[in-house]
Amino acid sequence: DTEVTQTPKHLVMGMTNKKSLKCEQHMGHRAMYWYKQKAKKPPELMFVYSYEKLSINESVPSRFSPECPNSSLLNLHLHALQPEDSALYLCASSHERTGTYEQYFGPGTRLTVT
Amino acid sequence: GESVGLHLPTLSVQEGDNSIINCAYSNSASDYFIWYKQESGKGPQFIIDIRSNMDKRQGQRVTVLLNKTVKHLSLQIAATQPGDSAVYFCAESPLYNQGGKLIFGQGTELSVKP
Repeated sequence: DTEVTQTPKHLVMGMTNKKSLKCEQHMGHRAMYWYKQKAKKPPELMFVYSYEKLSINESVPSRFSPECPNSSLLNLHLHALQPEDSALYLCASSHERTGTYEQYFGPGTRLTVT
Repeated sequence: GESVGLHLPTLSVQEGDNSIINCAYSNSASDYFIWYKQESGKGPQFIIDIRSNMDKRQGQRVTVLLNKTVKHLSLQIAATQPGDSAVYFCAESPLYNQGGKLIFGQGTELSVKP
């Protein structure tokens, strides 16, 4: 299984809502990532988890809260988002976090904040 | 045809022709490079990677060339097909940096005319 799955595929939420994005992989990867991607732009790294511990936070606002319950799952909790947070949120995983292994991406969650 | 992937230019080629997509990377200390293909509505898909101790690597219909002297990376696609239409991103991983961080280029949109 070389697949990263993400749910939901689409999400519309108001600025006062609380929602969560979910990501799952069963490749035995020990590094997992959240990226944000705006239209016609490259993915921007948000968070890196290595062996279920947060290793990189790219100065992401606290309204985004990541969680790694186990080595296969990665969540992104959303609260009090702004319309400018509307984007495609991508999850990825890799064997290690050394940066010398390919990252496998999921299909993304298309988030719209109203 | 060829293009420089600095700010999402579009490269248009005829089906059956060869395509060359170029990328200038930023960090001379980067030791791992990767090309991704992203189709509309999907996550980035791995195409090919190369380490800094190599200057060429071939896959199926694709070749990556690395010129460390001028910090330049290129992706060559042979006999381009309509299914190759997508945005192509190069990414680099600096050695000894924050582990697992991929730095993406701006991307090039490839359009294949039948």
